[in-house]
Amino acid sequence: SQTIHQWPATLVQPVGSPLSLECTVEGTSNPNLYWYRQAAGRGLQLLFYSVGIGQISSEVPQNLSASRPQDRQFILSSKKLLLSDSGFYLCAWKTGGSSYNEQFFGPGTRLTVL
Amino acid sequence: AQSVTQLGSHVSVSEGALVLLRCNYSSSVPPYLFWYVQYPNQGLQLLLKYTTGATLVKGINGFEAEFKKSETSFHLTKPSAHMSDAAEYFCAVSQNTGGFKTIFGAGTRLFVKA
Repeated sequence: SQTIHQWPATLVQPVGSPLSLECTVEGTSNPNLYWYRQAAGRGLQLLFYSVGIGQISSEVPQNLSASRPQDRQFILSSKKLLLSDSGFYLCAWKTGGSSYNEQFFGPGTRLTVL
Repeated sequence: AQSVTQLGSHVSVSEGALVLLRCNYSSSVPPYLFWYVQYPNQGLQLLLKYTTGATLVKGINGFEAEFKKSETSFHLTKPSAHMSDAAEYFCAVSQNTGGFKTIFGAGTRLFVKA
């Protein structure tokens, strides 16, 4: 069966510090991968998606970046965090090449920037 | 472009009462529609989905939704609310291009009163 992991589960970082969040998927090949952010009391904002290794599409211009160094690994990064980067970050995967399949979400990372 | 509108950011029901969460979509092509549930500090999980065929879709935990093309709606219902149903619910539509992204509604938080 497929599983998706995210770490860390929680993170408290000072403004201006770097960020690296990791997401890995097991039990599937060539998935589409997605990074979302939920600000407090708000809906899901799609940040990045990837349809293959090294292929990253950005949805929202900001100080975040994403990389996909391996088929089932998706990394969200920042060189300098802002207060507005605080939120709940969710990674998700979906079977590639199909729109009728659902997304599977990881457990999330709670990021607080102070 | 596809979009999803969820009517009511908060819905409150008594335990044992009918749950009705409203969702309307906009799509120029036959939509693939989903309902997800999110419990506090967790990722989203699929409740049910509509792709083709029967318009009344049954999901987990006693929830069901009916696809009504003429009304462009996909409302979620449950005959009798349980305390454990308290969560946030997201309606979503899946794109068939551009990374097969999922467009989420803003979410509806369900409160269940004893």
